[in-house]
Amino acid sequence: DAKTTQPNSMESNEEEPVHLPCNHSTISGTDYIHWYRQLPSQGPEYVIHGLTSNVNNRMASLAIAEDRKSSTLILHRATLRDAAVYYCILRAPLGETSGSRLTFGEGTQLTVNP
Amino acid sequence: DAGITQSPRHKVTETGTPVTLRCHQTENHRYMYWYRQDPGHGLRLIHYSYGVKDTDKGEVSDGYSVSRSKTEDFLLTLESATSSQTSVYFCAIRPGSSYNEQFFGPGTRLTVL
Repeated sequence: DAKTTQPNSMESNEEEPVHLPCNHSTISGTDYIHWYRQLPSQGPEYVIHGLTSNVNNRMASLAIAEDRKSSTLILHRATLRDAAVYYCILRAPLGETSGSRLTFGEGTQLTVNP
Repeated sequence: DAGITQSPRHKVTETGTPVTLRCHQTENHRYMYWYRQDPGHGLRLIHYSYGVKDTDKGEVSDGYSVSRSKTEDFLLTLESATSSQTSVYFCAIRPGSSYNEQFFGPGTRLTVL
């Protein structure tokens, strides 16, 4: 399975943008890039995903490099509630029985300062 | 809210005893998953199910078995618990084959003494 590399930790100030990087140099042409986050004492929560093009949703934006070997999760205005561990995950294409399994790394612990 | 509950939420047991964890969902989603999370680590997939009585192994399936006799319940069994299975266990669902997101339950903290 292709692996991802993320910084162990990052800090941000409240109401400032946050750029969380992820390297995935061995990504295959059909792997999707997913981001999940895990707040303290909770299960992971889906944030966003993409394949080739940049993506936006109500939570965040995902910027994908042209060669797809890296991506960046962008939180436009960090809040204290965004303090969490953020996981960048590569996922194989969906299939009826393949399960769409997610392989989590250790993620990036984001600290948001008031 | 994807209607996922896990029971029990906390359990302490002794080495060698059998343990069953239950994941229950209320919305008839097809895909269900069991993960474990150890301190300072991301989640690792134990087993998953793509339908009633259809299950497959994940990356850390040794020592675990699963059953899904009805859509709403996915059971994870530790036949003979060991201290290395002390962990937080998360259940997840995926609504259908075209869905990308997985939705996670609140977790079960299991301690094996």
